[in-house]
Amino acid sequence: SQQGEEDPQALSIQEGENATMNCSYKTSINNLQWYRQNSGRGLVHLILIRSNEREKHSGRLRVTLDTSKKSSSLLITASRAADTASYFCATDLYNFNKFYFGSGTKLNVKP
Amino acid sequence: DGGITQSPKYLFRKEGQNVTLSCEQNLNHDAMYWYRQDPGQGLRLIYYSQIVNDFQKGDIAEGYSVSREKKESFPLTVTSAQKNPTAFYLCASSRQIQETQYFGPGTRLLVL
Repeated sequence: SQQGEEDPQALSIQEGENATMNCSYKTSINNLQWYRQNSGRGLVHLILIRSNEREKHSGRLRVTLDTSKKSSSLLITASRAADTASYFCATDLYNFNKFYFGSGTKLNVKP
Repeated sequence: DGGITQSPKYLFRKEGQNVTLSCEQNLNHDAMYWYRQDPGQGLRLIYYSQIVNDFQKGDIAEGYSVSREKKESFPLTVTSAQKNPTAFYLCASSRQIQETQYFGPGTRLLVL
């Protein structure tokens, strides 16, 4: 089974609303990353949060990490139509040189 | 897509044929990776390389091979042993292993 899994699988909101996506994982990690993928394109890195950090911000993005619950959330505030994409979390495994990607949350922002 | 290029954008494979996907980066990164993405799914790691002349199998290496003779290049060969090769293939690189990965635009492989 997957190390990291996003929830919900799909999310549809109106422009201007906030979008929240969650990621749960199973084992200890060094860091967790969020990526965005527009349809048929490569992934774009959004934020990296380390296991000793609880919250990070980047523009309209806010990421939280709760290592006791083994979960992370990505909040996009004041969403725009251009935010329409799939969002993936990627977790490494402590002491292993691999990243695991979840199946993603497909976000649709309606204008 | 940063300084990573993948070619071709689309690739067609005939049954029994080996095909090679190109990945080049000019970011001076030590680590490079190959992922496979199936429709509506996440990414699965095929192979990764921490440094030139070294590479390791990922979770789905069977039917694939790689080489890392130059720091800038990490080509992936899809062999005839890979029975279900139709997928979107993504190459990535990072400064060092376990750091932020930068992705190329991908190659879509289709079987004729």
